Amino acid sequence: DVKVTQSSRYLVKRTGEKVFLECVQDMDHENMFWYRQDPGLGLRLIYFSYDVKMKEKGDIPEGYSVSREKKERFSLILESASTNQTSMYLCASSRGQLSYEQYFGPGTRLTVT
Amino acid sequence: AQSVAQPEDQVNVAEGNPLTVKCTYSVSGNPYLFWYVQYPNRGLQFLLKYITGDNLVKGSYGFEAEFNKSQTSFHLKKPSALVSDSALYFCAVRESSSASKIIFGSGTRLSIRP
Repeated sequence: DVKVTQSSRYLVKRTGEKVFLECVQDMDHENMFWYRQDPGLGLRLIYFSYDVKMKEKGDIPEGYSVSREKKERFSLILESASTNQTSMYLCASSRGQLSYEQYFGPGTRLTVT
Repeated sequence: AQSVAQPEDQVNVAEGNPLTVKCTYSVSGNPYLFWYVQYPNRGLQFLLKYITGDNLVKGSYGFEAEFNKSQTSFHLKKPSALVSDSALYFCAVRESSSASKIIFGSGTRLSIRP
Protein backbone atom coordinates (compact mmCIF):
# COMPACT_ATOMS: atom_id res chain seq x y z
CA ASP A 1 0.00 0.00 0.00
CA VAL A 2 1.05 3.55 -0.69
CA LYS A 3 1.95 5.35 2.44
CA VAL A 4 2.15 9.10 2.86
CA THR A 5 3.28 10.28 6.26
CA GLN A 6 3.33 13.74 7.76
CA SER A 7 5.69 14.74 10.53
CA SER A 8 3.06 15.93 13.01
CA ARG A 9 -0.66 15.41 13.55
CA TYR A 10 -1.02 18.52 15.71
CA LEU A 11 1.17 21.58 15.90
CA VAL A 12 0.84 24.81 17.85
CA LYS A 13 3.03 27.75 16.88
CA ARG A 14 3.22 31.42 17.71
CA THR A 15 2.73 34.29 15.32
CA GLY A 16 5.95 35.11 13.51
CA GLU A 17 7.56 31.71 13.99
CA LYS A 18 9.02 29.81 11.06
CA VAL A 19 7.17 26.52 10.63
CA PHE A 20 8.22 23.40 8.76
CA LEU A 21 5.75 20.70 7.76
CA GLU A 22 7.29 17.54 6.40
CA CYS A 23 5.79 14.94 4.13
CA VAL A 24 7.27 11.62 3.04
CA GLN A 25 5.92 9.08 0.55
CA ASP A 26 7.26 5.60 0.05
CA MET A 27 6.02 4.70 -3.43
CA ASP A 28 8.49 6.56 -5.64
CA HIS A 29 5.81 8.97 -6.86
CA GLU A 30 6.87 11.84 -9.09
CA ASN A 31 4.21 14.31 -7.98
CA MET A 32 3.68 15.72 -4.53
CA PHE A 33 1.17 18.29 -3.32
CA TRP A 34 0.40 20.49 -0.34
CA TYR A 35 -3.20 21.50 0.35
CA ARG A 36 -4.92 23.31 3.13
CA GLN A 37 -8.40 22.27 4.19
CA ASP A 38 -10.81 24.76 5.72
CA PRO A 39 -14.51 24.21 6.50
CA GLY A 40 -16.72 25.22 3.60
CA LEU A 41 -13.77 25.83 1.32
CA GLY A 42 -12.75 22.27 0.57
CA LEU A 43 -9.12 21.65 -0.32
CA ARG A 44 -7.07 24.41 -1.82
CA LEU A 45 -3.74 23.74 -3.48
CA ILE A 46 -0.80 25.64 -2.03
CA TYR A 47 2.12 24.22 -4.04
CA PHE A 48 2.95 21.12 -5.95
CA SER A 49 6.08 19.48 -7.27
CA TYR A 50 6.40 17.17 -10.26
CA ASP A 51 10.07 16.35 -9.81
CA VAL A 52 12.97 16.85 -7.44
CA LYS A 53 13.82 20.55 -7.08
CA MET A 54 10.82 21.47 -9.27
CA LYS A 55 7.84 23.31 -7.87
CA GLU A 56 4.80 25.18 -9.08
CA LYS A 57 2.49 27.55 -7.29
CA GLY A 58 -1.01 26.43 -6.63
CA ASP A 59 -4.02 28.58 -5.93
CA ILE A 60 -2.93 30.07 -2.59
CA PRO A 61 0.89 30.19 -2.40
CA GLU A 62 1.17 33.51 -0.55
CA GLY A 63 2.93 33.15 2.78
CA TYR A 64 4.25 29.68 1.96
CA SER A 65 7.28 28.15 0.33
CA VAL A 66 8.27 24.55 -0.40
CA SER A 67 11.33 22.42 -0.75
CA ARG A 68 11.89 19.13 -2.54
CA GLU A 69 15.48 17.99 -2.30
CA LYS A 70 14.68 14.28 -2.49
CA LYS A 71 12.00 12.50 -4.45
CA GLU A 72 10.26 11.06 -1.40
CA ARG A 73 10.17 14.22 0.71
CA PHE A 74 8.23 17.46 0.22
CA SER A 75 8.38 20.19 2.82
CA LEU A 76 6.03 23.10 3.35
CA ILE A 77 7.48 26.18 5.01
CA LEU A 78 5.62 29.03 6.63
CA GLU A 79 8.24 31.76 6.72
CA SER A 80 6.45 33.82 9.35
CA ALA A 81 3.34 32.14 10.67
CA SER A 82 0.19 34.17 10.99
CA THR A 83 -3.15 33.39 12.63
CA ASN A 84 -4.89 33.13 9.25
CA GLN A 85 -2.67 30.15 8.50
CA THR A 86 -4.37 28.14 11.22
CA SER A 87 -5.73 25.21 9.25
CA MET A 88 -5.50 21.53 8.40
CA TYR A 89 -2.63 20.84 6.03
CA LEU A 90 -2.75 17.78 3.80
CA CYS A 91 0.06 16.31 1.77
CA ALA A 92 -0.57 14.06 -1.23
CA SER A 93 1.39 12.23 -3.88
CA SER A 94 0.64 10.73 -7.27
CA ARG A 95 2.47 8.89 -10.00
CA GLY A 96 3.49 10.25 -13.39
CA GLN A 97 2.02 12.87 -15.67
CA LEU A 98 -1.32 11.23 -16.21
CA SER A 99 -1.96 9.88 -12.79
CA TYR A 100 -5.50 10.40 -11.67
CA GLU A 101 -5.40 9.12 -8.12
CA GLN A 102 -3.77 11.08 -5.36
CA TYR A 103 -2.74 9.46 -2.11
CA PHE A 104 -3.10 11.56 1.01
CA GLY A 105 -1.37 11.71 4.34
CA PRO A 106 -3.33 11.95 7.61
CA GLY A 107 -2.96 15.73 7.83
CA THR A 108 -1.38 18.20 10.22
CA ARG A 109 -3.66 20.46 12.19
CA LEU A 110 -1.71 23.67 12.69
CA THR A 111 -2.80 26.30 15.18
CA VAL A 112 -1.07 29.66 15.14
CA THR A 113 -1.65 31.75 18.25
CA ALA B 1 -11.39 27.36 -15.71
CA GLN B 2 -12.39 24.01 -14.33
CA SER B 3 -14.57 23.88 -11.26
CA VAL B 4 -16.85 21.59 -9.31
CA ALA B 5 -19.79 22.50 -7.13
CA GLN B 6 -21.29 20.50 -4.29
CA PRO B 7 -24.60 22.22 -3.58
CA GLU B 8 -25.28 20.49 -0.27
CA ASP B 9 -23.15 21.09 2.80
CA GLN B 10 -24.84 18.20 4.61
CA VAL B 11 -26.88 15.17 3.61
CA ASN B 12 -28.77 13.12 6.19
CA VAL B 13 -29.97 9.61 5.38
CA ALA B 14 -31.41 6.76 7.42
CA GLU B 15 -29.44 3.52 7.47
CA GLY B 16 -30.61 1.15 4.75
CA ASN B 17 -31.97 3.91 2.53
CA PRO B 18 -30.34 4.90 -0.76
CA LEU B 19 -28.08 7.91 -0.69
CA THR B 20 -27.06 10.52 -3.24
CA VAL B 21 -24.38 13.16 -2.88
CA LYS B 22 -24.58 15.75 -5.63
CA CYS B 23 -21.82 17.23 -7.75
CA THR B 24 -21.87 19.42 -10.84
CA TYR B 25 -18.86 20.38 -12.88
CA SER B 26 -17.63 22.94 -15.37
CA VAL B 27 -14.78 22.00 -17.69
CA SER B 28 -13.40 22.79 -21.09
CA GLY B 29 -12.92 19.60 -23.02
CA ASN B 30 -13.46 16.10 -21.71
CA PRO B 31 -14.09 15.87 -17.98
CA TYR B 32 -12.00 13.72 -15.68
CA LEU B 33 -13.98 13.42 -12.45
CA PHE B 34 -13.32 11.92 -9.04
CA TRP B 35 -14.83 11.26 -5.67
CA TYR B 36 -12.80 11.18 -2.47
CA VAL B 37 -13.91 10.42 1.08
CA GLN B 38 -12.52 11.65 4.38
CA TYR B 39 -13.35 9.63 7.48
CA PRO B 40 -13.01 11.37 10.87
CA ASN B 41 -9.40 12.14 11.80
CA ARG B 42 -8.06 10.58 8.62
CA GLY B 43 -6.71 11.76 5.29
CA LEU B 44 -8.65 11.63 2.06
CA GLN B 45 -9.14 8.33 0.30
CA PHE B 46 -9.85 7.81 -3.37
CA LEU B 47 -13.31 6.32 -4.06
CA LEU B 48 -13.76 6.29 -7.82
CA LYS B 49 -13.09 8.11 -11.05
CA TYR B 50 -14.67 8.74 -14.44
CA ILE B 51 -12.32 9.10 -17.39
CA THR B 52 -14.28 7.74 -20.30
CA GLY B 53 -16.66 4.91 -21.16
CA ASP B 54 -19.65 3.70 -19.18
CA ASN B 55 -21.57 6.50 -17.50
CA LEU B 56 -22.02 4.44 -14.33
CA VAL B 57 -18.75 4.06 -12.48
CA LYS B 58 -18.31 1.65 -9.59
CA GLY B 59 -15.90 2.31 -6.79
CA SER B 60 -14.88 1.28 -3.29
CA TYR B 61 -17.21 0.40 -0.39
CA GLY B 62 -20.20 -0.17 -2.67
CA PHE B 63 -20.32 3.37 -3.99
CA GLU B 64 -21.02 4.28 -7.58
CA ALA B 65 -21.30 7.52 -9.50
CA GLU B 66 -23.34 8.47 -12.52
CA PHE B 67 -21.82 10.73 -15.14
CA ASN B 68 -24.40 12.85 -16.96
CA LYS B 69 -22.92 14.98 -19.72
CA SER B 70 -26.07 16.91 -20.56
CA GLN B 71 -26.60 17.94 -16.95
CA THR B 72 -22.84 18.27 -16.25
CA SER B 73 -23.30 16.21 -13.13
CA PHE B 74 -21.42 13.43 -11.41
CA HIS B 75 -23.55 12.35 -8.46
CA LEU B 76 -22.30 9.81 -5.94
CA LYS B 77 -24.74 7.05 -5.02
CA LYS B 78 -25.16 3.99 -2.89
CA PRO B 79 -28.22 1.72 -2.86
CA SER B 80 -28.22 1.07 0.89
CA ALA B 81 -26.46 3.38 3.34
CA LEU B 82 -24.45 2.20 6.33
CA VAL B 83 -23.72 4.14 9.50
CA SER B 84 -20.03 3.65 8.67
CA ASP B 85 -20.54 5.69 5.47
CA SER B 86 -20.78 8.83 7.60
CA ALA B 87 -17.91 11.00 6.41
CA LEU B 88 -16.97 14.06 4.38
CA TYR B 89 -17.16 13.55 0.62
CA PHE B 90 -15.34 15.58 -1.99
CA CYS B 91 -15.99 15.75 -5.70
CA ALA B 92 -13.02 16.74 -7.85
CA VAL B 93 -12.10 17.47 -11.47
CA ARG B 94 -8.77 17.32 -13.24
CA GLU B 95 -7.19 20.64 -14.12
CA SER B 96 -6.90 20.77 -17.92
CA SER B 97 -3.69 22.82 -17.93
CA SER B 98 -1.86 20.34 -15.75
CA ALA B 99 -2.66 16.65 -15.90
CA SER B 100 -1.37 16.09 -12.39
CA LYS B 101 -3.53 18.69 -10.65
CA ILE B 102 -7.08 18.24 -9.51
CA ILE B 103 -9.56 20.77 -8.18
CA PHE B 104 -11.73 19.85 -5.23
CA GLY B 105 -15.23 20.87 -4.35
CA SER B 106 -16.17 22.29 -0.97
CA GLY B 107 -17.25 18.94 0.42
CA THR B 108 -20.51 17.40 1.61
CA ARG B 109 -20.88 15.92 5.04
CA LEU B 110 -22.88 12.70 4.90
CA SER B 111 -24.56 11.61 8.11
CA ILE B 112 -26.23 8.20 8.31
CA ARG B 113 -28.56 7.73 11.26
CA PRO B 114 -29.21 4.24 12.66
